[in-house]
Amino acid sequence: SAVISQKPSRDICQRGTSLTIQCQVDSQVTMMFWYRQQPGQSLTLIATANQGSEATYESGFVIDKFPISRPNLTFSTLTVSNMSPEDSSIYLCSAPPDGNTEAFFGQGTRLTVV
Amino acid sequence: EDQVTQSPEALRLQEGESSSLNCSYTVSGLRGLFWYRQDPGKGPEFLFTLYSAGEEKEKERLKATLTKKESFLHITAPKPEDSATYLCAVGYSWGKLQFGAGTQVVVTP
Repeated sequence: SAVISQKPSRDICQRGTSLTIQCQVDSQVTMMFWYRQQPGQSLTLIATANQGSEATYESGFVIDKFPISRPNLTFSTLTVSNMSPEDSSIYLCSAPPDGNTEAFFGQGTRLTVV
Repeated sequence: EDQVTQSPEALRLQEGESSSLNCSYTVSGLRGLFWYRQDPGKGPEFLFTLYSAGEEKEKERLKATLTKKESFLHITAPKPEDSATYLCAVGYSWGKLQFGAGTQVVVTP
């Protein structure tokens, strides 16, 4: 199974600021995925991060709010921009191994916006 | 529209009291039915992927089964350490998952 590390594990941020979350995988993967888990809710897919091309966003999520980088096959970042208290959530990255649909997750980044 | 519905929302069990969790789904082009365990404050821990009706997979006290419309997660003789939220998700595109709301399981000694 892939080992996925996220940084930071948690943060408390002021509204109007931005936070960049890092996701590192211990093996190369074609696609990485970013999810959000709002308090008491299940996971919702934000976007797919592809190496060498722009991220693709799910309905309800836009690049200006959640810019994503994917500089290589083992790393991705998600930025939460111009934060408001409604952005308080756990943000998780997923990295299915190539040719295998087992989807492993990082431990998540717990974001609180005050 | 694709939907994933889990029941019950919460389940309280005595240690050793076996039970089942349900995950019903509607999705066009199922690319796997996934089960995860999530402990508070942690990311989901992968348990199983099932791909076709009739498939079964087991891990310790957990057994997952799949039909064309639903999946069951059977917990046999649970222990307190099995307390967690169990999530099911359907794969609808390569790597993309749609999750149900989860079943919170509490096992008391």
